[in-house]
Amino acid sequence: GENVEQHPSTLSVQEGDSAVIKCTYSDSASNYFPWYKQELGKGPQLIIDIRSNVGEKKDQRIAVTLNKTAKHFSLHITETQPEDSAVYFCAATGIAYDKVIFGPGTSLSVIP
Amino acid sequence: KAGVTQTPRYLIKTRGQQVTLSCSPISGHRSVSWYQQTPGQGLQFLFEYFSETQRNKGNFPGRFSGRQFSNSRSEMNVSTLELGDSALYLCASSLVPPGSLQETQYFGPGTRLLVL
Repeated sequence: GENVEQHPSTLSVQEGDSAVIKCTYSDSASNYFPWYKQELGKGPQLIIDIRSNVGEKKDQRIAVTLNKTAKHFSLHITETQPEDSAVYFCAATGIAYDKVIFGPGTSLSVIP
Repeated sequence: KAGVTQTPRYLIKTRGQQVTLSCSPISGHRSVSWYQQTPGQGLQFLFEYFSETQRNKGNFPGRFSGRQFSNSRSEMNVSTLELGDSALYLCASSLVPPGSLQETQYFGPGTRLLVL
């Protein structure tokens, strides 16, 4: 069935450094890839998304890249700040399967 | 525009009891999905409703059920609670069902259920 893998499961970086989270999806028909940030005690919040007709998208310190051939997509956070500490989920969806498939999550810690 | 709201935010029940959780989607959103989140299992899909019809269901026992009303508000019910049902239950809404038209889901804050 459909599957999304996510690596690493935990990531610790120094404040100001960059963080990269990578995801791989199994269904080549997937065409929409959102990223969510979940802070302690809160629901996941959409931080950026990318559609299959685009290779890269940026929003201030956050960027997402998509490689459809390899079925990989990645989240890049530059100039990390302590408030970036949270669990990040990648996800994939497409018209073929009518639901969102989530990766297992990455716990990011930014050390001041 | 108000976000997705879920009530109650916290709930403590004992084994064997039943519980009903409520979700109000973003105004205009007609699709509501429910997820169970536990530390070991991540986000597990429960079911999705669109226009009062359950369109998709995850791999959960029949003790888990839901419904959607004509105003798009949704409820989920868990009967005969077990200790393993302790989790954060998240509701997410979107304009149309996930997968169609590359539509974004927006999550509520969740209901934290503790079963003793």
